[in-house]
Amino acid sequence: ILNVEQSPQSLHVQEGDSTNFTCSFPSSNFYALHWYRWETAKSPEALFVMTLNGDEKKKGRISATLNTKEGYSYLYIKGSQPEDSATYLCALYNNNDMRFGAGTRLTVKP
Amino acid sequence: EPEVTQTPSHQVTQMGQEVILRCVPISNHLYFYWYRQILGQKVEFLVSFYNNEISEKSEIFDDQFSVERPDGSNFTLKIRSTKLEDSAMYFCASSGDRVYGNTIYFGEGSWLTVV
Repeated sequence: ILNVEQSPQSLHVQEGDSTNFTCSFPSSNFYALHWYRWETAKSPEALFVMTLNGDEKKKGRISATLNTKEGYSYLYIKGSQPEDSATYLCALYNNNDMRFGAGTRLTVKP
Repeated sequence: EPEVTQTPSHQVTQMGQEVILRCVPISNHLYFYWYRQILGQKVEFLVSFYNNEISEKSEIFDDQFSVERPDGSNFTLKIRSTKLEDSAMYFCASSGDRVYGNTIYFGEGSWLTVV
């Protein structure tokens, strides 16, 4: 069963704090891992698509790493801002469909 | 920036009624998808569509569901006889190529409530 797990489920940080959260997935039959940022009442916004073991991607203050051998990806946010408050979803693509994790709900307090 | 648009944003329907959810994918995209999220649960894959036919579907996508690209721009999801458990947010998405290494772009969703 293709099970994608994200932790923590929710996270509250102060503005300026750096934070990170985890996406875990089965390491066999890996094709690609996607990260999305999802604000309430908006469409999920693509952040990163990662395909190779050891991939590191960066977009502004947000970065992600990928370890396909052990089956995890980390998403990092440096110097969190209130506008970073959203649910961060990871999704695993295995050549048949995309399986989403339940998301990490981040709240950044001013 | 091009975007995926969905209509309606919210629909309430009686159990047993047919519902059609409409999507306009990004114009030069070739792959189209429907996902759904039941309140409090994970986003789930329903179906992918390429070259005017279904390329993959999940176990959720049973005979009461169908998809169509009637006119080259719209991509519709039809639920033939809605059940209470079909209440969910339905997301349409599109990508320029297979999902593997390519970003998929989501619409804002259609919230379906079956009463």
